[in-house]
Amino acid sequence: EVQLVQSGAEVKKPGESLKISCKGSGYTSDTYWFGWVRQVAGKGLEWMGIIYPGDSDTRYGPSFQGQVTISVDKSIDTAYLQWDSLKASDTAMYYCASFYCTGGVCSPLDYWGHGTLVTVSS
Amino acid sequence: DIQMTQSPSTLSASVGDRVTITCRASQSITKWLAWYQQKPGKAPKVLIYKASILESGVPSRFSGSGSGTEFTLTINSLQPDDFATYYCQHYNDYSWTFGQGTRVEIK
Repeated sequence: EVQLVQSGAEVKKPGESLKISCKGSGYTSDTYWFGWVRQVAGKGLEWMGIIYPGDSDTRYGPSFQGQVTISVDKSIDTAYLQWDSLKASDTAMYYCASFYCTGGVCSPLDYWGHGTLVTVSS
Repeated sequence: DIQMTQSPSTLSASVGDRVTITCRASQSITKWLAWYQQKPGKAPKVLIYKASILESGVPSRFSGSGSGTEFTLTINSLQPDDFATYYCQHYNDYSWTFGQGTRVEIK
């Protein structure tokens, strides 16, 4: 069974940088991807982007392109979400998710982490 | 980019009711549509994928239908455990957009 363990909650000031992580385990093949989803308190789910550990192929949601950086370290099955300069509006829960793609056919977000709460406040 | 529009945003229902949630895509997504259930403080969980395939372990009172641009999630005989927020999502493409969500609350 795939498990995703995310790093702990963070409290940061505006303008600070941050990198949160998501470690996956239990994969049965190499054709898995990681994804990141944002959820502001009381609001809906927003797809931020996905990354393939095999070649670091990354796709960003239109609202997040240029705002965050998604990366991966395949050697430790860990994905990252990074901000260079946080804003108060980045305050949210960030979920890591994982799914498989085979032959151009992907599953939906089958596996989810517990979420990392990021609070940005002066 | 493909936009996903869910309706209604809130739905009040009673235990035993049959409820239907609609999701519309701004362009054809064939059958690349998933439905998720989310309860407060928890991560979402997949209920349906490829528009109509029930995820393993999901009760059969949940069903999905549709293709192209219009999709529905139906819950037959609503149970207390079903009061939650439901999201549709287009996937398997360069853009994996979520709908805005439908909160199913107790009438």
